[in-house]
Amino acid sequence: GAGVSQSPRYKVAKRGQDVALRCDPISGHVSLFWYQQALGQGPEFLTYFQNEAQLDKSGLPSDRFFAERPEGSVSTLKIQRTQQEDSAVYLCASSLAGPNTEAFFGQGTRLTVV
Amino acid sequence: DAKTTQPPSMDCAEGRAANLPCNHSTISGNEYVYWYRQIHSQGPQYIIHGLKNNETNEMASLIITEDRKSSTLILPHATLRDTAVYYCIVRPNFGNEKLTFGTGTRLTIIP
Repeated sequence: GAGVSQSPRYKVAKRGQDVALRCDPISGHVSLFWYQQALGQGPEFLTYFQNEAQLDKSGLPSDRFFAERPEGSVSTLKIQRTQQEDSAVYLCASSLAGPNTEAFFGQGTRLTVV
Repeated sequence: DAKTTQPPSMDCAEGRAANLPCNHSTISGNEYVYWYRQIHSQGPQYIIHGLKNNETNEMASLIITEDRKSSTLILPHATLRDTAVYYCIVRPNFGNEKLTFGTGTRLTIIP
């Protein structure tokens, strides 16, 4: 069956450019998460949606990072005025509602800022 | 901050059982222990989770000590495809459902 799909898989951006990363969660999954993974590190939480509501954005590193999920399905992570330290893999995960549930991850988008 | 401690790396011979330890001495009564793994260039993959009883599924077994301060993930017959970074995570059974990853254990299966 279809899993979590992320696009693009790879993105190269010039410093200062805006980028948008897309996540298509598993159909019916209420919860959606974004994580950032730097090279050699574990994923770090960015933000969490329950349906269209962004319930936690405590992990967003700066106001250049913005996420939305307007219809409670597809989500977009936008990074404005990219900087070199934004280079990382951005992972999206989705799950059914409730804390005792399994999160399914996409393959991620590798962003390289040059 | 991650609430677990894992060895940074381990090796295991192909066909043998791989036993991956995790310390979570500050775990609270309403927190589950989750294990995920991440194969190179892929997203993390769920393996198993438990509260206080030992658990087994088609991928692995999870042994949690009686005081719940540590656990062991067991891959009974490791194959080369099990080479990955394994993350042990404690996760509250309420509120925000986010996973807090540490740096995990890099498991290498040796042919």
